[in-house]
Amino acid sequence: GAGVSQSPSNKVTEKGKDVELRCDPISGHTALYWYRQSLGQGLEFLIYFQGNSAPDKSGLPSDRFSAERTGGSVSTLTIQRTQQEDSAVYLCASSSTGGEKTQYFGPGTRLLVL
Amino acid sequence: GQQLNQSPQSMFIQEGEDVSMNCTSSSIFNTWLWYKQDPGEGPVLLIALYKAGELTSNGRLTAQFGITRKDSFLNISASIPSDVGIYFCAGLVNFGNEKLTFGTGTRLTIIP
Repeated sequence: GAGVSQSPSNKVTEKGKDVELRCDPISGHTALYWYRQSLGQGLEFLIYFQGNSAPDKSGLPSDRFSAERTGGSVSTLTIQRTQQEDSAVYLCASSSTGGEKTQYFGPGTRLLVL
Repeated sequence: GQQLNQSPQSMFIQEGEDVSMNCTSSSIFNTWLWYKQDPGEGPVLLIALYKAGELTSNGRLTAQFGITRKDSFLNISASIPSDVGIYFCAGLVNFGNEKLTFGTGTRLTIIP
């Protein structure tokens, strides 16, 4: 596709359940980022993948959060044992390494933990 | 996590008015970006600034990279209804695929 896509667009889950959020970056983009946006707030960095390098996980809020990027393309953000404070919009972005390095964002996954 | 200080938090203006918002930081950034986010969408890049003192325009939008590298300003002239949304500033220490630090956002509403 032409842009970054994310699925699901909305997710409602019960406290304590695990959730998986998916991101398909723009084809050819080697860098992929996950951000979290709480209601009425700016975006908070979570994790960053660049090619085959070890990911920068410095923004992950707890060990319940993890992310993978398989084959240098699709990424999955997993939240284990979800808590109500995990409710937020989870945004994915991708960028290229050469020339323009602008981060292009997907539409986000709206997560609600009941 | 760290966030940039952005003001105002919200603005209510009439169509045709000019808009100004700014972003400040206690630390230096080498790149400043301004994004707009519409409801249900991800942020979309409006303007990128790469050099201290730089003034860049994109149509009715003008942004400046502060000389101290700790602030940036965005102006919108002659606002129109489609300008409604949330505007975010973002800073990068190095423009090379690194994490963005975002401002808290300015919500722009146009009063009919």
